[in-house]
Amino acid sequence: GQSLEQPSEVTAVEGAIVQINCTYQTSGFYGLSWYQQHDGGAPTFLSYNALDGLEETGRFSSFLSRSDSYGYLLLQELQMKDSASYFCAAGSGGYQKVTFGTGTKLQVIP
Amino acid sequence: EAEVAQSPRYKITEKSQAVAFWCDPISGHATLYWYRQILGQGPELLVQFQDESVVDDSQLPKDRFSAERLKGVDSTLKIQPAELGDSAMYLCASSRGYGYTFGSGTRLTVV
Repeated sequence: GQSLEQPSEVTAVEGAIVQINCTYQTSGFYGLSWYQQHDGGAPTFLSYNALDGLEETGRFSSFLSRSDSYGYLLLQELQMKDSASYFCAAGSGGYQKVTFGTGTKLQVIP
Repeated sequence: EAEVAQSPRYKITEKSQAVAFWCDPISGHATLYWYRQILGQGPELLVQFQDESVVDDSQLPKDRFSAERLKGVDSTLKIQPAELGDSAMYLCASSRGYGYTFGSGTRLTVV
């Protein structure tokens, strides 16, 4: 089956940098995505890695190591509005099936 | 910005009743997904459509859940009969690449 592991909670200070890790076991893996979800809201797409290395999008960066079945999301210059749940999601199979992790709840404190 | 439309936004139903959710994906997105998300957990795929065809419904409880996308555009997810354990957020998403766009979801409460 497919499984993804993330820390359940992370707390960080406003203005700081935080890294959210994700390890996966997915057959037919082709890429790792990250989504942000505020309480009561729908997930929104943040980033995608198909190849090893770092992808940067503004304050957010995402990293993938296919050989280690590992990725992370890096959030810089944390803002209070970044308090949300963050999900890694592994894509697999020929029809772009995506399996989500259990999510990491990030709390940004002043 | 294009959006995925879902309705209703909230639904309260009694157990054993039937309930239906509707989704209209972004125009041109051939792939449509229905996910269920229980509070504090990640979304779980229920069914995936490619145009009007189901390509994955391995996690769909077929004894009570059904989904259709007759013309390959909008889609309906039905539960009959609803059970207390079905209380969750039901999310629709569409894509034509690697990033999904989710709708606002339907929060279902079964009483």
